[in-house]
Amino acid sequence: NAGVTQTPKFQVLKTGQSMTLQCAQDMNHNSMYWYRQDPGMGLRLIYYSASEGTTDKGEVPNGYNVSRLNKREFSLRLESAAPSQTSVYFCASSTRDPSTNEKLFFGSGTQLSVL
Amino acid sequence: QKEVEQNSGPLSVPEGAIASLNCTYSDRGSQSFFWYRQYSGKSPELIMSIYSNGDKEDGRFTAQLNKASQYVSLLIRDSQPSDSATYLCAVKKKTSYDKVIFGPGTSLSVIP
Repeated sequence: NAGVTQTPKFQVLKTGQSMTLQCAQDMNHNSMYWYRQDPGMGLRLIYYSASEGTTDKGEVPNGYNVSRLNKREFSLRLESAAPSQTSVYFCASSTRDPSTNEKLFFGSGTQLSVL
Repeated sequence: QKEVEQNSGPLSVPEGAIASLNCTYSDRGSQSFFWYRQYSGKSPELIMSIYSNGDKEDGRFTAQLNKASQYVSLLIRDSQPSDSATYLCAVKKKTSYDKVIFGPGTSLSVIP
C-alpha cells in the first residue's frame, strides 16, 4: 500500500520556468492538500480539494494553480517560478471520518529550489 | 494575527521531565484540533486529535482543549530523547469543511 506518492523528490528551476508537482493517493480519500514548509513557518496551506473536480484556495495560493482531475490525483503547477517559491512542498490526503481521527496522510515531500 | 499560533521555541527539557506545548487559534468556529510530530527531514505524523473540551490521554501524551479560551496544549510525560522533534498544532474549521491550518511549530529537544 503506497499511501501518498509525490514526484519529483527534488527539483531545481530557474526563475521563470514552469513545472508541475504530481501527487497521487491510493486510499480512496476525498480530501487532498498542498502545503509548503519554510524554516520557522510550519506548514502553510496553498490549495486544497474536498472532492474530485473541486478546489479551494488556502493561505498562500498566489503563484500556484492546482488540478484535481480524479479522486486519486492532485497536481500543483508553478507557471513562472520565483525564488520566493523555494521551499519543501508536501501533498496530503485525508478522510472526513472522525473515527479515523481525520488524519492527514503526507507524501514524502518535494524539495524545490528556484535560482 | 495568524490563525494558529504556538509558543516560540526551541524548548529544551531534561529526559524524564514533562514537556508542555501550547497552541492558540483565532477562529471560534474551529471544531477539530490536532497535534503532529515532525522529525527533521521527514513528513509530519499525527500524534493526537481532540474534538471536545477537556483532556485526552494516549500513553505519555495528553492533549488539552479549552474552546472558551481558544487554547490547545500537548503534554509529554517522561520525555525521551526520541521525542526531540518539531510539534505542529493544526486546526480544522467548521465553516470550511476540509481546510486544515497549521501553526508555525515548536521545536523540542529532550536532553539526556
